[in-house]
Amino acid sequence: DAKTTQPPSMDCAEGRAANLPCNHSTISGNEYVYWYRQIHSQGPQYIIHGLKNNETNEMASLIITEDRKSSTLILPHATLRDTAVYYCIVPPRGGADGLTFGKGTHLIIQP
Amino acid sequence: IAGITQAPTSQILAAGRRMTLRCTQDMRHNAMYWYRQDLGLGLRLIHYSNTAGTTGKGEVPDGYSVSRANTDDFPLTLASAVPSQTSVYFCASSRTGEYEQFFGPGTRLTVL
Repeated sequence: DAKTTQPPSMDCAEGRAANLPCNHSTISGNEYVYWYRQIHSQGPQYIIHGLKNNETNEMASLIITEDRKSSTLILPHATLRDTAVYYCIVPPRGGADGLTFGKGTHLIIQP
Repeated sequence: IAGITQAPTSQILAAGRRMTLRCTQDMRHNAMYWYRQDLGLGLRLIHYSNTAGTTGKGEVPDGYSVSRANTDDFPLTLASAVPSQTSVYFCASSRTGEYEQFFGPGTRLTVL
């Protein structure tokens, strides 16, 4: 998997947009960026993925830079329930042998 | 409700005992996975299966075995548990070749 770098922790005020950065400078041209999150004591949950265009779904938006070396996950209106560890993952193209989870970013939403 | 279930929720086990963790999914996904998560660490892949009848080793397979007799079930067996296998175990599934994985709620295992 391409190596990813994320800050270990971040705070965000409830109701504000949470912007979580990820660096993946060694990403290959056909590799996707995936985001998962893990709320305390639960299994990880898929959020979103993208290749080079910005993506949006009901949970979040994903902004990928033009050179694809970094991306930002945006939670537009963070709630207390968004407090979790967020993982940015770049799995190898064509593989199906699991994901490599790093330590992620612990996002804490403050009331 | 479609999804993935795991059993038991938690278990305390004496060292040397045999234990099977169960995982069942009803999404007809071909691929299934077992991960372990230790305190303060990310998930690590133990074993995986891309389709019924086939299995593969992940990052940390030693001390564990799996079988995939059918599409829905993917049990993980500890033949002789050791304290270092104390962990939270997560099962996941996905469509073949895709990285959108669906995770179960986990099994918290303590080996004494």
